[in-house]
Amino acid sequence: QVQLQESGPGLVKPSETLSLTCTVSGGTITGYHWSWIRQTPAKGLEWIGYIYYTGSTDYNPSLKSRVTISLDASKSQFSLRLSSVTAADTAVYYCARDVDYSSDSWGPGTLVTVSS
Amino acid sequence: EIVMIQSPLSLPVTPGEPASISCRSSQSLLHRNKYNYVDWYLQKPGQPPHLLIYLGSNRASGVPDRFSASGSGTDFTLQISRVEAEDVGVYYCMQALQTPRTFGQGTKVEI
Repeated sequence: QVQLQESGPGLVKPSETLSLTCTVSGGTITGYHWSWIRQTPAKGLEWIGYIYYTGSTDYNPSLKSRVTISLDASKSQFSLRLSSVTAADTAVYYCARDVDYSSDSWGPGTLVTVSS
Repeated sequence: EIVMIQSPLSLPVTPGEPASISCRSSQSLLHRNKYNYVDWYLQKPGQPPHLLIYLGSNRASGVPDRFSASGSGTDFTLQISRVEAEDVGVYYCMQALQTPRTFGQGTKVEI
């Protein structure tokens, strides 16, 4: 059973860069898309983007100018960087594995607060 | 981007009774391969969402058969044949036909 775990700072200052890592265990990174999704009370669930195990990416146009998703298969990890954050980026961030366009496994989520 | 609209947003249910949630998309989710690219997720309190239904009507692994889904094109329905107490939470539909993937607002099911 694959398991995912998000990690990273829970507090980020405005205008700085949010960085999160998702560690995958119990399964291989190969052959799947790996997604980042966030959730806020105001906007609900928002798809941020994904990376294929080959390294190709696709991002939400609303965040594209600020988002980078990368993958390190040797460490079974993939990462999210979101630059120039504001209070609107305060959210619970989830990583997930995609199988045939569906997110079948999710991490527990991590709350990131943007505040000075 | 494709907009997903769910109804109702709140659904009081009675254990043992059926329940139904509707989801409507702003564009057809029917792919030329005949699959509808819509998923259903359930988020229980304090947990991440988990996959219930994929590609319109296929139950994910371990999902009880009291859950079923139907629909095509722009109109979709999730049905629970007999609600159990453990089914409370927020249900989301999501379209996977195009990126960005988009979710419905969620339907809160409570007893």
